[in-house]
Amino acid sequence: EAGVVQSPRYKIIEKKQPVAFWCNPISGHNTLYWYRQNLGQGPELLIRYENEEAVDDSQLPKDRFSAERLKGVDSTLKIQPAELGDSAVYLCASAGRTYQETQYFGPGTRLLVL
Amino acid sequence: SQQGEEDPQALSIQEGENATMNCSYKTSINNLQWYRQNSGRGLVHLILIRSNEREKHSGRLRVTLDTSKKSSSLLITASRAADTASYFCATIAGFKTIFGAGTRLFVKA
Repeated sequence: EAGVVQSPRYKIIEKKQPVAFWCNPISGHNTLYWYRQNLGQGPELLIRYENEEAVDDSQLPKDRFSAERLKGVDSTLKIQPAELGDSAVYLCASAGRTYQETQYFGPGTRLLVL
Repeated sequence: SQQGEEDPQALSIQEGENATMNCSYKTSINNLQWYRQNSGRGLVHLILIRSNEREKHSGRLRVTLDTSKKSSSLLITASRAADTASYFCATIAGFKTIFGAGTRLFVKA
């Protein structure tokens, strides 16, 4: 079974530029998460999808971050414009049916904003 | 804010020794999960323990949960150099998943 796929793995951009991250969850998983992980910290939830519905986006900085999950499968997280403080690892995870189940994480996208 | 708080922040042991790390949380939970993260990698799920369970085992891993003290512990027995990683607890409370800052374990060969 293929795991969670994320791309790109690394991204370096200048501040004020836009950036997008892509995630393909494990086949059949209804729940999809985007997390941000700063160096030396645990993951911080940005948004959770149940199928194509964003059921928890309370931690998503909506002035510059947006996300979508078309058709309830792949998801894209966008930052526009990026700021220096956005430098972090962005992790995508998926779970089977509900938020209470085991989460399977992708390798993450390491973003550096210069 | 992060609900799960791991203790210690860092732990260095010799291969073959046991490693114990603790997680404390603030509110009632549905379940608690432990994850491992190797340097530069994604998180790997280790064990899920539900709020009505007190102990679970998986290979060399033993997890306990004390809901009265709002705490959990992860014990790794007979540690190996390959166990070197960061270990995170994640609490599932209501609709929220909250990770702690993690314990960094270093196992010396």
